[in-house]
Amino acid sequence: EVQLVESGGGLVQPGGSLRLSCGASGFTFSNYEMNWVRQAPGKGLEWVSYIGSRGDLKHYADSVKGRFIMSRDNAKASLYLQMNSLRAEDTAVYFCARESNYYDGGSFKRNFDYWGQGTLVTVSS
Amino acid sequence: QTVVTQEPSFSVSPGGTVTLTCGLTSGAVSTSHYPSWFQQTPGQAPRSLIYSTNTRSSGVPDRFSGSILGNKAALAIAGAQADDDSNYYCLLYLGNGIWAFGGGTKVTVL
Repeated sequence: EVQLVESGGGLVQPGGSLRLSCGASGFTFSNYEMNWVRQAPGKGLEWVSYIGSRGDLKHYADSVKGRFIMSRDNAKASLYLQMNSLRAEDTAVYFCARESNYYDGGSFKRNFDYWGQGTLVTVSS
Repeated sequence: QTVVTQEPSFSVSPGGTVTLTCGLTSGAVSTSHYPSWFQQTPGQAPRSLIYSTNTRSSGVPDRFSGSILGNKAALAIAGAQADDDSNYYCLLYLGNGIWAFGGGTKVTVL
């Protein structure tokens, strides 16, 4: 059974840092690209960042670029999000999501197919 | 900056059909945006329904279908049931490694 379990959330002061983790099991982690998605309280989903299967390719939303760093350890089947210079607007539940990509009859398919339950980050003084 | 648009809310009667759309403030949605649709109830993680325009995720009933309608992606829910009462989000690939969600549509079944 595929499982993704986030941890590391909590209360942090503005300007502070926090490191989120996402532990994966039930699949070969190193074969999959991964994403972080967040959801502010009572708001919609916001894509945050992407990392390739080998960790060499990363992309970030403009809202977090230069402040957040995504990484992975395939040997530990773990995903990370280092969050620096945190702001009140970063307050959200952070989800990790697996991205399954494949070719089907010549068409390339992309699917955020499995999600963790999320970890809450609260930025407040 | 391109924004992904969705209707804020829809109501549908039990057994009825509702079609949600997902557009862009700049340009038309195409299959190259790999449109995906997710269902989310409060306090839960999102659930993948449709990906790459019209492919149903594992275990999703065929009451849910995806397509391109005009210049937008669309999610149709046929034979609406009480447990379809949820928030629905679309996700589009904008290129250069960037994805963006729509603001979500609250579907009420009543």
